[in-house]
Amino acid sequence: AQKITQTQPGMFVQEKEAVTLDCTYDTSDQSYGLFWYKQPSSGEMIFLIYQGSYDEQNATEGRYSLNFQKARKSANLVISASQLGDSAMYFCAMREGGNQGGKLIFGQGTELSVKP
Amino acid sequence: GAVVSQHPSRVICKSGTSVKIECRSLDFQATTMFWYRQFPKQSLMLMATSNEGSKATYEQGVEKDKFLINHASLTLSTLTVTSAHPEDSSFYICSALGQGKNYGYTFGSGTRLTVV
Repeated sequence: AQKITQTQPGMFVQEKEAVTLDCTYDTSDQSYGLFWYKQPSSGEMIFLIYQGSYDEQNATEGRYSLNFQKARKSANLVISASQLGDSAMYFCAMREGGNQGGKLIFGQGTELSVKP
Repeated sequence: GAVVSQHPSRVICKSGTSVKIECRSLDFQATTMFWYRQFPKQSLMLMATSNEGSKATYEQGVEKDKFLINHASLTLSTLTVTSAHPEDSSFYICSALGQGKNYGYTFGSGTRLTVV
């Protein structure tokens, strides 16, 4: 069965520094999708970045980049130049089924705190 | 585009009563709706997947008679928590599958249910 693991329950980072949030996954599918979401205290899920299993280049979206290492089955999120507003829960997720529209399964989450 | 309206955002109900949560896709047709439950500081756990016009598929361990899901139209899915008890208190969030941004997954803003 597919599984997503986030081993960092909490992380601290100084404002303006970069931080890496870890995510490893396990799947037997050849085609899959990996997502990162931000969840502030309000509870909404904010999409950050997506990486397809066949994408050769690491995804980037503004200050967010995804360090995709397929052989190691890891999809770490890198946030550059952290801001106070980045303090939130961060979830890694994988689309199951290897096709468009499969259900998303989520990791345990990492609570990021940005210090001024 | 691609907005899912979820109501209510917060609800407090008495033990033994039922509560209905609505998720409505405002500007697209959602053929599939995913319902998640989240306890504080924990991951999103998939409860069920609903497809328009058919019965929902529940994840293992989720009581289908307690959590009634209806997806009667392409723009509306509802989750009814029947005979609610304090242990049902949680954050419930829907995710609609449709075309467009965020690689197809659009989340509602969530409902915080408190059963007293």
